[in-house]
Amino acid sequence: KQEVTQIPAALSVPEGENLVLNCSFTDSAIYNLQWFRQDPGKGLTSLLLIQSSQREQTSGRLNASLDKSSGRSTLYIAASQPGDSATYLCAVLLRSNDYKLSFGAGTTVTVRA
Amino acid sequence: NAGVTQTPKFRILKIGQSMTLQCTQDMNHNYMYWYRQDPGMGLKLIYYSVGAGITDKGEVPNGYNVSRSTTEDFPLRLELAAPSQTSVYFCASSVAGGLNEQFFGPGTRLTVL
Repeated sequence: KQEVTQIPAALSVPEGENLVLNCSFTDSAIYNLQWFRQDPGKGLTSLLLIQSSQREQTSGRLNASLDKSSGRSTLYIAASQPGDSATYLCAVLLRSNDYKLSFGAGTTVTVRA
Repeated sequence: NAGVTQTPKFRILKIGQSMTLQCTQDMNHNYMYWYRQDPGMGLKLIYYSVGAGITDKGEVPNGYNVSRSTTEDFPLRLELAAPSQTSVYFCASSVAGGLNEQFFGPGTRLTVL
């Protein structure tokens, strides 16, 4: 069974600092890994999707890396802003079950102005 | 293009009542999913569908039923609501499984008292 862990559960940083969010998973036979953003009381917004053949994916200030062999992904957010305050969830899609995303519990980020 | 829409946004039920959570997508996606999110936890898959007329159980299907009569709609039915079903429910869709990104609706917050 795929277990997805995100540590820390919460993070508070001053504006301008770079954010580093970690995600680890136990089964490396994945199709892809997605990073989502969730604002309080809202749905999930997809930020980045990394296919299993890729090592990283970038979008603006966001960069996500994937190391399948060690079962880890890292989301970097450069020069954080108060608007980056949200919960960030990672989810992996297993090759054996191509419909089922396994989610971590998320990291709640607060960026202080 | 509205994406994935869900109704209602909020609902309070009494123990033993029934209700249907509605989900519609206008992206002509074949795959649709229902997840629940409990406080401080990742999302768990309740049911999914790979196309009209086809549904299957996810991780936590007990107490729920689904149907998929059209490509666009994927309603989730709660029979005999219980306090353990208090949660936020998210509907999602994707073109197919595997390499494809999942798109999420805004969620329905359900409380069972």
